[in-house]
Amino acid sequence: GQNIDQPTEMTATEGAIVQINCTYQTSGFNGLFWYQQHAGEAPTFLSYNVLDGLEEKGRFSSFLSRSKGYSYLLLKELQMKDSASYLCAVNTAGGFKTIFGAGTRLFVKA
Amino acid sequence: EADIYQTPRYLVIGTGKKITLECSQTMGHDKMYWYQQDPGMELHLIHYSYGVNSTEKGDLSSESTVSRIRTEHFPLTLESARPSHTSQYLCASSEEGPANNEQFFGPGTRLTVL
Repeated sequence: GQNIDQPTEMTATEGAIVQINCTYQTSGFNGLFWYQQHAGEAPTFLSYNVLDGLEEKGRFSSFLSRSKGYSYLLLKELQMKDSASYLCAVNTAGGFKTIFGAGTRLFVKA
Repeated sequence: EADIYQTPRYLVIGTGKKITLECSQTMGHDKMYWYQQDPGMELHLIHYSYGVNSTEKGDLSSESTVSRIRTEHFPLTLESARPSHTSQYLCASSEEGPANNEQFFGPGTRLTVL
C-alpha cells in the first residue's frame, strides 16, 4: 500500500526552530511537496524536492533522502502566523497523482 | 495569487438533493483535481482531469461525477446527497509538464448534508 506518516501535532516557541518529519512508502516517486494549510483555508505550496539534499527558501528549508523515504521541513525564526498544518505530499510515478499525508498541526506559542 | 475559484463556499442541504459544486480557474492549467478533506485529516483525491474531455477517478471511492467540457471549468456533481457526503471539497489545478508543478487550491466548499 501507499503510506505517508507525519507527527500529528507539534508545539514550538516563537523565534525558535522546528523540524517536521515525514516518512513515505509509495509505489512510485516523482517528487515530494510541502504545503501549508491554515485552519479553514486551502493548502498553499511551500517547497518541492525531487533530488536528495536540502532546498532552502527564506525561513523554510526542506530536505529529502530518497533511499530512506524521508523528508523534513525546517522552519526557522518561528512566528505566530506559522501556526498551521503542514502537509507532506508525494507525487507518485505514472499519472502524476499526488498522495497527501494527514498533516502536522504546528502550534507556535509566545 | 492563485486564480482558482469555488462556489458555493458553504452549502447545507437535505438528503436526496442533487448538487453541483463549481470550480473554475483562469490560469489556463490543463490539470485539475477534486479532493475531499475531513477536519484534521488528509486530502483524498476523488477525481482528476488531464484536460478537456479527460476525467479519471481518484484513489477514494466517490459517488460523485465530474465533467471537463472547458479548460477552465471542472464541476463536481452529487446526484443524491447523503449525510456521509458531509465534508470539505477542495478543487486544485496545475500546469502540464514536469512533476514539480505545484497545485493551486481553491478556497473549498464546506458541504453539510442533513
